[in-house]
Amino acid sequence: EAGVAQSPRYKIIEKRQSVAFWCNPISGHATLYWYQQILGQGPKLLIQFQNNGVVDDSQLPKDRFSAERLKGVDSTLKIQPAKLEDSAVYLCASSFSGAANTEAFFGQGTRLTVV
Amino acid sequence: GENVEQHPSTLSVQEGDSAVIKCTYSDSASNYFPWYKQELGKRPQLIIDIRSNVGEKKDQRIAVTLNKTAKHFSLHITETQPEDSAVYFCAAQKGKLIFGQGTELSVKP
Repeated sequence: EAGVAQSPRYKIIEKRQSVAFWCNPISGHATLYWYQQILGQGPKLLIQFQNNGVVDDSQLPKDRFSAERLKGVDSTLKIQPAKLEDSAVYLCASSFSGAANTEAFFGQGTRLTVV
Repeated sequence: GENVEQHPSTLSVQEGDSAVIKCTYSDSASNYFPWYKQELGKRPQLIIDIRSNVGEKKDQRIAVTLNKTAKHFSLHITETQPEDSAVYFCAAQKGKLIFGQGTELSVKP
């Protein structure tokens, strides 16, 4: 089966610019996660969706970050305006059902560099 | 909030030795504990997982143990090989999937 697809793979922007990342989860997966992984650290959960509803977004900096999952399939994560400290790899993952706690499959990630 | 602590942050072993990585979690309601391996520049991939109704699980050279009372779980890799070198992450989940900080394992030939 096809894996989790993310785009773009790499992005370089200047601070204060905006950027958007796209994720297409594995077909049939109800749960979608966005993580921020700063170099040398573990993935930090930004937002978790169950279908098109938000399970948790407590760690999402809502003054600059937003995410949506229209129709409960694809998802986009946006940063506006970007700061230097947003430089990281943004990982999208999906699982069959968060409630049943099954394996989360990760995409390749988007490496963001803010200069 | 929920938290997962992982130790050590780096671990160096000789080929053939065993490696042990330990994690503690804060949310006693967590019921799913996966371990992921991440090679440099690649995505995290699941290597083994355990649920709260099981105390131990083994898959070839990899085993995971869970102590619910103490809220800690461990990854054991036996007969380590150079290809085991990577960063390993533990995680805990009830609703949210929360990751530890990672352990960089280096297996020296």
